[in-house]
Amino acid sequence: DQQVKQNSPSLSVQEGRISILNCDYTNSMFDYFLWYKKYPAEGPTFLISISSIKDKNEDGRFTVFLNKSAKHLSLHIVPSQPGDSAVYFCAASAMDGANSKLTFGKGITLSVRP
Amino acid sequence: ETGVTQSPTHLIKTRGQQVTLRCSSQSGHNTVSWYQQALGQGPQFIFQYYREEENGRGNFPPRFSGLQFPNYSSELNVNALELDDSALYLCASSLGSPGTQETQYFGPGTRLLVL
Repeated sequence: DQQVKQNSPSLSVQEGRISILNCDYTNSMFDYFLWYKKYPAEGPTFLISISSIKDKNEDGRFTVFLNKSAKHLSLHIVPSQPGDSAVYFCAASAMDGANSKLTFGKGITLSVRP
Repeated sequence: ETGVTQSPTHLIKTRGQQVTLRCSSQSGHNTVSWYQQALGQGPQFIFQYYREEENGRGNFPPRFSGLQFPNYSSELNVNALELDDSALYLCASSLGSPGTQETQYFGPGTRLLVL
């Protein structure tokens, strides 16, 4: 049973427009959420995170929104740039005192067209 | 650049063999986690080490084992390799103790192919 779901496998947007990447989760114990970007032949690169006590976190062109009641989060990239083309993973962890394992979605491939 | 390095970058083994993958964490990062990423999937948690002790394990059999050393390096060992073990193996390090809201920083991964 997948606890973190990224239901859209791919997204294509025009350069300069907004990219919205969605993620849903089922485990109500998750309290920390992260977005990673991955290029081929590289490891995931941390982009932005949000704690469950917040509903928004912004860092430059990247903003993450969290809707706890809907168990939904989204990553907004504006304006989108061709260099943003990559696979984006949503990940979540639960602060249960034992370990801080990350549970990942399957990823979304973002293509930004020039 | 995360400061996390892994070796080797690529590896080819045959079924039944054993393999050791290595990771060097960022200095000061006491927690290291290992993940397996199969093609088309997100990374899956294998296990986590904190101060040289295993601190949590995912749904992987005992033939997956690990070690963490005081110099911030760690190993993932896989015995009796199976074809399904072919994947990208990622290590990630973090500064805080397990169970805290700490960001994990990933290395570039080791691509393992089992024939």
